[in-house]
Amino acid sequence: DAGVIQSPRHEVTEMGQEVTLRCKPISGHNSLFWYRQTMMRGLELLIYFNNNVPIDDSGMPEDRFSAKMPNASFSTLKIQPSEPRDSAVYFCASRAPGLRNYGYTFGSGTRLTVV
Amino acid sequence: GQQVMQIPQYQHVQEGEDFTTYCNSSTTLSNIQWYKKRPGGHPVFLIQLVKSGEVKKQKRLTFQFGEAKKNSSLHITATQTTDVGTYFCAGLNQGAQKLVFGQGTRLTINP
Repeated sequence: DAGVIQSPRHEVTEMGQEVTLRCKPISGHNSLFWYRQTMMRGLELLIYFNNNVPIDDSGMPEDRFSAKMPNASFSTLKIQPSEPRDSAVYFCASRAPGLRNYGYTFGSGTRLTVV
Repeated sequence: GQQVMQIPQYQHVQEGEDFTTYCNSSTTLSNIQWYKKRPGGHPVFLIQLVKSGEVKKQKRLTFQFGEAKKNSSLHITATQTTDVGTYFCAGLNQGAQKLVFGQGTRLTINP
């Protein structure tokens, strides 16, 4: 298995532009999580999905952020319009179904820089 | 809401010295997980602790879960340069579905 695949690995964009981050979870995993890592706040959970349905988006910073999971093999996190304070590493993670006792598998992350 | 605090934030040791990071939750946990993130990498799952007072070992790494299931620790004996990275604990609240991560402890090692 190729693991959790995220794209792009790096993104540099200008303030005000739309940014879309992509994630392909491990086949068969039914839970998907979007995290943001910053020096100040560590790893923050933004949103997570179970069986493609958003369960908890309380961590989404504001209306500029949105996430979708149209099918079991794909999810996007969109920021529109982007701001410099959105600069961070964004991780996607997935987890196998069944018991809640499995660790998360993280993707390699997308390093976003908004200038 | 649930908070998971981890200390220290940074730790620098000489190779061969021991290292410990501590994790405390504001609420009783169902289980706790530990992850390691190498510089420039992504978090990698190390282990999960479920039972009160549980102790697990992975070679030089020893993981403990407190009796009250509100704290945990990771101890590395005789550190090696390959241990460099940030160690995160992550707690799962009873009845909850999402992990809450600690801030992480960044370990650097002088060879």
